[in-house]
Amino acid sequence: NAGVTQTPKFQVLKTGQSMTLQCAQDMNHNSMYWYRQDPGMGLRLIYYSASEGTTDKGEVPNGYNVSRLNKREFSLRLESAAPSQTSVYFCASSENRVVAGNTIYFGEGSWLTVV
Amino acid sequence: AQSVAQPEDQVNVAEGNPLTVKCTYSVSGNPYLFWYVQYPNRGLQFLLKYITGDNLVKGSYGFEAEFNKSQTSFHLKKPSALVSDSALYFCAVRDIGFQKLVFGTGTRLLVSP
Repeated sequence: NAGVTQTPKFQVLKTGQSMTLQCAQDMNHNSMYWYRQDPGMGLRLIYYSASEGTTDKGEVPNGYNVSRLNKREFSLRLESAAPSQTSVYFCASSENRVVAGNTIYFGEGSWLTVV
Repeated sequence: AQSVAQPEDQVNVAEGNPLTVKCTYSVSGNPYLFWYVQYPNRGLQFLLKYITGDNLVKGSYGFEAEFNKSQTSFHLKKPSALVSDSALYFCAVRDIGFQKLVFGTGTRLLVSP
């Protein structure tokens, strides 16, 4: 079972460069998420997509854009990378926003360094 | 807004001893609570969740958690710790209105041989 797959695993960017983190899930889930993880701050939600065709801002959306390409795929784009965006990024998915208590499943993470 | 707090940055326990990782929550309405574990350089793995029903929830790898409504707590427990349990543990609460998880800051568990 692949579950949630995200690429790349590691990336080093120069300030001002752009890049896209790719994410795909094979569990037929409706909802998908992008979180970032920083030391001492836990995980913070960047953007989420409750269902195909919809996206919404989370806690820390500034500097990011997302695309829900289809039901399986949800990409995160950094248009002009800044050192403050150095972080570990996690894509996640859950079955359905309507049914309460659904478990969210996470990918393995993408380690991004902006120099 | 829903929130969780993990008051301990790190918990140290000897192998074979019981372990507890603490979590308290603040929610409006019924809480939906989760525990995840993260091993080094890996993603988060789901351990268990409380939605409704029995206050003692059993999960993966021998872990369990006790929901206590009066103390607004959801502590993670294991009767006998293993060295391989050493990892970062996150408590989380479902934000019902926006279908997302709100995470605590994490507790590092170190189990010594």
